Amino acid sequence: TQLLEQSPQFLSIQEGENLTVYCNSSSVFSSLQWYRQEPGEGPVLLVTVVTGGEVKKLKRLTFQFGDARKDSSLHITAAQPGDTGLYLCAGRYNEKLTFGTGTRLTIIP
Amino acid sequence: EPEVTQTPSHQVTQMGQEVILRCVPISNHLYFYWYRQILGQKVEFLVSFYNNEISEKSEIFDDQFSVERPDGSNFTLKIRSTKLEDSAMYFCASLPGLYTDTQYFGPGTRLTVL
Repeated sequence: TQLLEQSPQFLSIQEGENLTVYCNSSSVFSSLQWYRQEPGEGPVLLVTVVTGGEVKKLKRLTFQFGDARKDSSLHITAAQPGDTGLYLCAGRYNEKLTFGTGTRLTIIP
Repeated sequence: EPEVTQTPSHQVTQMGQEVILRCVPISNHLYFYWYRQILGQKVEFLVSFYNNEISEKSEIFDDQFSVERPDGSNFTLKIRSTKLEDSAMYFCASLPGLYTDTQYFGPGTRLTVL
């Protein structure tokens, strides 16, 4: 059974600060995805990383896949109130997506 | 932009009753999934479906659950005899093919079992 642990579980920071969210597992995944989920809605895909060591940037968001394809990080630069939400990582193994425990991010104006 | 749709948005049922949750995946997608999310917990994989049969299922997906694609359009999840612990958000997702990792999620159905 693949497990993905995210840390921190909750994060509250001031607007303009930088932050990093971590997603760790003892399992190897063929790819890892980051989602954002709003209350009462389904997860919305932000990015997929496939290659070990891969780095992808989406405006102020930087995603990295660990060299061993077991972990990933999401770094947000100069956080804005609009970044507030629940961030989920999910690892793909065969057809199945295993979701992480989630990080609830609050950006204080 | 095409999207996955789910109905109903909220279903309330009595314990022991059967429920059918409906999903319309994006047309021309080939792989279909159900996930659930109990309130305050993580999203959990239930089942994947391809070529009119289950390709993978989790331990959660026991004999009380079944899936069907009755008409080539709808993708349904049936829970035969609901239990209190089945209360959760149920998300449907579809994938165009295994060449991509992007699963498109629907908005979910909130199931409340009383």
